[in-house]
Amino acid sequence: GAVVSQHPSWVICKSGTSVKIECRSLDFQATTMFWYRQFPKQSLMLMATSNEGSKATYEQGVEKDKFLINHASLTLSTLTVTSAHPEDSSFYICSAAQGDNSYNSPLHFGNGTRLTVT
Amino acid sequence: QKEVEQDPGPLSVPEGAIVSLNCTYSNSAFQYFMWYRQYSRKGPELLMYTYSSGNKEDGRFTAQVDKSSKYISLFIRDSQPSDSATYLCAMSASRRNYGQNFVFGPGTRLSVLP
Repeated sequence: GAVVSQHPSWVICKSGTSVKIECRSLDFQATTMFWYRQFPKQSLMLMATSNEGSKATYEQGVEKDKFLINHASLTLSTLTVTSAHPEDSSFYICSAAQGDNSYNSPLHFGNGTRLTVT
Repeated sequence: QKEVEQDPGPLSVPEGAIVSLNCTYSNSAFQYFMWYRQYSRKGPELLMYTYSSGNKEDGRFTAQVDKSSKYISLFIRDSQPSDSATYLCAMSASRRNYGQNFVFGPGTRLSVLP
């Protein structure tokens, strides 16, 4: 089956530093990838949609200068949390649409990255 | 009222029981319905997806959609301890760009006791 690899699985960083999270589709090409944030016992909240070769589309309330997204190839999207603060601590999950991002394109999720900012 | 509601649980059942997980929603435009399973500290895994109303069966899992009641269900037969996870429903109104329009329920935590 389709596999999405997310790295790192967990990271601890100091306040003010930047952290990069990678999301790779291992056995399929993903024109569109998505980044989510999940708080404990809450559902996934879409942060942004990443399209290969173009600028990401951010959801309302998500700071694009803080959460930098790059989708440079059909198999890799990165999320960089810049100048991280403790309130950015969360579980970040990416997903990739296999196909043309229509109903026939199931979303496959990575295993998430737990970010802790001290 | 939240757009998608789901009983957070936890729901504890004995091994072998039939489990019923449910979501209600308020947006009548939703027409694509998915169920995901999420183990602790892992990403969601797609279990089932259905379009519009009706039933769909896959092994021990059955998904039901009742659009008239804005209610969807996932049934798990012969539940196993390995089924212990959080189950998320998700739905979308858009056929195109539907990934951006996913709305997830908060999830129900299921515990199957051996």
